Amino acid sequence: DQQVKQNSPSLSVQEGRISILNCDYTNSMFDYFLWYKKYPAEGPTFLISISSIKDKNEDGRFTVFLNKSAKHLSLHIVPSQPGDSAVYFCAAIKIQGAQKLVFGQGTRLTINP
Amino acid sequence: SQTIHQWPATLVQPVGSPLSLECTVEGTSNPNLYWYRQAAGRGLQLLFYSVGIGQISSEVPQNLSASRPQDRQFILSSKKLLLSDSGFYLCLSGGKIYGYTFGSGTRLTVV
Repeated sequence: DQQVKQNSPSLSVQEGRISILNCDYTNSMFDYFLWYKKYPAEGPTFLISISSIKDKNEDGRFTVFLNKSAKHLSLHIVPSQPGDSAVYFCAAIKIQGAQKLVFGQGTRLTINP
Repeated sequence: SQTIHQWPATLVQPVGSPLSLECTVEGTSNPNLYWYRQAAGRGLQLLFYSVGIGQISSEVPQNLSASRPQDRQFILSSKKLLLSDSGFYLCLSGGKIYGYTFGSGTRLTVV
């Protein structure tokens, strides 16, 4: 049962344009969502998070949008830079209770010069 | 902020040999601790998680076990490794206040 899904395994974007990475979830009890970036042979690094009580959180070039009714979140990167090329994972957690952090399968983002 | 120490960075082990990977955390107390595995070309699979000392929840029946002997120490073990145990193992520490931070990972190759 895949509770967090990233349906696009890969995405290619031109440098300077907007990158939009999508994530869907099925468990309406999730109350906190996170995005991580991962380079090969390294641990994922935290990018940005959002609480379920918000619909938007912005940090520099990164903005996360949450649509609770659609159970959908997205990460926008503007403008995209070559160093943004990596695998991006979204994750969700129910803070109260078991507190399992559930990850999507990841989307490989490639920024083309 | 919390710091996650994970070692070794790489490991090559023969089939049937034992395994012990260690993760220690600094800068926080009573974190939630998780072991994930990323197999080649795949996503992050949750193996074990712990909300306190001696409290281990297993997500996937397998050849591995986990222990949390101290508040900020999480150990992943196996008595006999299988070829299918190869992968990139990640320790995650976190909680609502400190956020969720990964260690640098261990690349395990079983030969």
